[in-house]
Amino acid sequence: GQNIDQPTEMTATEGAIVQINCTYQTSGFNGLFWYQQHAGEAPTFLSYNVLDGLEEKGRFSSFLSRSKGYSYLLLKELQMKDSASYLCAVRDGDYKLSFGAGTTVTVRA
Amino acid sequence: IAGITQAPTSQILAAGRRMTLRCTQDMRHNAMYWYRQDLGLGLRLIHYSNTAGTTGKGEVPDGYSVSRANTDDFPLTLASAVPSQTSVYFCASSEQGGTTDTQSFGPGTRLTVL
Repeated sequence: GQNIDQPTEMTATEGAIVQINCTYQTSGFNGLFWYQQHAGEAPTFLSYNVLDGLEEKGRFSSFLSRSKGYSYLLLKELQMKDSASYLCAVRDGDYKLSFGAGTTVTVRA
Repeated sequence: IAGITQAPTSQILAAGRRMTLRCTQDMRHNAMYWYRQDLGLGLRLIHYSNTAGTTGKGEVPDGYSVSRANTDDFPLTLASAVPSQTSVYFCASSEQGGTTDTQSFGPGTRLTVL
């Protein structure tokens, strides 16, 4: 099975940077995903890492260290619309995802 | 519009009643999934199907059943609903087999069992 930990809540100011950490312990690993979920909506895909290192997509970046069982999602130049929950998910060898409980990010003006 | 649809959007159900949540995708994805999302617990996999005609159990399958008669549809049935099944249910699909193999989610069904 998978054990995935991420902080429950984070608050940041508009224009700032926030880093959401995710640690995992897995019985199999085939990639790590980050999803964004606004309140009352479905999760939407943000990023994917399967190799160590940083993946950058505009204002969002995601980092993976497989040896440490660690990932982070970096949100730069925060905007009010970035207020949402961010879900870390690990994929196993059978292509099934296990999700962390999610980190609720609140962006303040 | 391509994507995943779920029905109903929300439902209040008496305990002991049978309920089927519907999920349809038009992306011709091979794999489909059902999750429940509860506060503080995140998304948990109930059942999945890697291809039409096959299904498998996820992390929390008890009290639920699924079928996959064709590629597009993946209904989830609660044979006899209990209050602990109050949750938001999300259906998802993916191509499967690709390197990224991103799961796309439907809009969800909010179910309350009284």
